[in-house]
Amino acid sequence: EVQLVESGGDLVQPGESLKLSCAASGFTFSGSSIHWVRQASGKGLEWIGRIRSKANNYATAYAASVNGRFTISRDDSQNTAYLQMNSLKTEDTAIYYCARGGSSFGHFASWGQGILVTVSS
Amino acid sequence: DIQMTQSPSSLSASVGDRVTFTCRASQTIDKYLNWYQQKPGKAPKLLIYAASSLESGVPSRFSGSGSGTDFTLTISRLQPEDFATYYCQQGSTIIRTFGQGTKLEIK
Repeated sequence: EVQLVESGGDLVQPGESLKLSCAASGFTFSGSSIHWVRQASGKGLEWIGRIRSKANNYATAYAASVNGRFTISRDDSQNTAYLQMNSLKTEDTAIYYCARGGSSFGHFASWGQGILVTVSS
Repeated sequence: DIQMTQSPSSLSASVGDRVTFTCRASQTIDKYLNWYQQKPGKAPKLLIYAASSLESGVPSRFSGSGSGTDFTLTISRLQPEDFATYYCQQGSTIIRTFGQGTKLEIK
């Protein structure tokens, strides 16, 4: 069974940093791209970035809203992906999901349960 | 970035009804269009990928169609568990984008 489990969510102040983890099991993690998607309370889904596999040079891409502040990384030996969030803003408050990328059509085949990040003074 | 526009933003229907949601892309995306269902407090669930391919385990009352810029998701006979919010998402570009969602409510 495919499982993705996020952790590391917290209440932080504006300007602070936070690192989320996404622990995966049930599929070949090393061969998969991992995406991060967030959802503010009562709002829609926002894709924020992804990291590809080693075969694709661990290439990363980010949405403009987080580019330069957020960094995605992975440790294939631990089947875990990470989202490092720096210079957090109140508008970064959301539930953060990690998701496994699909093979060909850019879809998100499996999702974690989500983790809440709150940025507030 | 490609903008995805869903209509309507909300829809009221009854169990047994046939409903159709629409998603439009701001530029052509071929068949790189995916649909998700999200229930309150839960993660999104993939329903349809590649515009019309049914994800494994998804009931056959769900179907998708379209290509280029215009796409539809149809539920043939609504069941109580189908009342949720539905999102389209384009996978054509590196920067992925979602529609704003259509909330399906019980009439």
